[in-house]
Amino acid sequence: AQTVTQSQPEMSVQEAETVTLSCTYDTSESDYYLFWYKQPPSRQMILVIRQEAYKQQNATENRFSVNFQKAAKSFSLKISDSQLGDAAMYFCAYRSAAGAQKLVFGQGTRLTINP
Amino acid sequence: DVKVTQSSRYLVKRTGEKVFLECVQDMDHENMFWYRQDPGLGLRLIYFSYDVKMKEKGDIPEGYSVSREKKERFSLILESASTNQTSMYLCASSRPGLAGFEQYFGPGTRLTVT
Repeated sequence: AQTVTQSQPEMSVQEAETVTLSCTYDTSESDYYLFWYKQPPSRQMILVIRQEAYKQQNATENRFSVNFQKAAKSFSLKISDSQLGDAAMYFCAYRSAAGAQKLVFGQGTRLTINP
Repeated sequence: DVKVTQSSRYLVKRTGEKVFLECVQDMDHENMFWYRQDPGLGLRLIYFSYDVKMKEKGDIPEGYSVSREKKERFSLILESASTNQTSMYLCASSRPGLAGFEQYFGPGTRLTVT
């Protein structure tokens, strides 16, 4: 079974600075998808960024980018120019490209932005 | 604008009660999911459904059942609520297929069992 590990329960960063959230996963599959989801306080979970394992190029969405290291099974999220609205729980998730379409989530990292 | 709604934001029930959590999506998605979220554990899948009247167990189905009579609605049932089922419950939906389609989440129901 696949597992996802987020080893940083909490992180904090100064507004306008850059922060990196870590995620590692374990799988024997070669084709899969990785996601970062954001859950703001008392608000719905939303997708931040998605990475296809077959793509070597790291995904980027505005101020959010990933560092996908397939051999190391590592998938970190970098947030540049942090804003107060980035404060949230961030979850890393894995989805197989075959079979079940469920997501396997990590434990989450709570990100605080200091003004 | 895509929308997943859940019947209650907060719910307090007593041990032994039968509890129904409702989820409705307006995106015509085939896939629907129920997760529970606990601090330090992330989200864990309880049940999911690929189509009307179809259901499959997730990682922690014990003590739960589900119902999907209509495409847009997916219900989670706690047959006899227990205190260890106190948690945040999240519903999600997505398009079907093997591509990495996004799951859309509801606002969650925080259930307390006393």
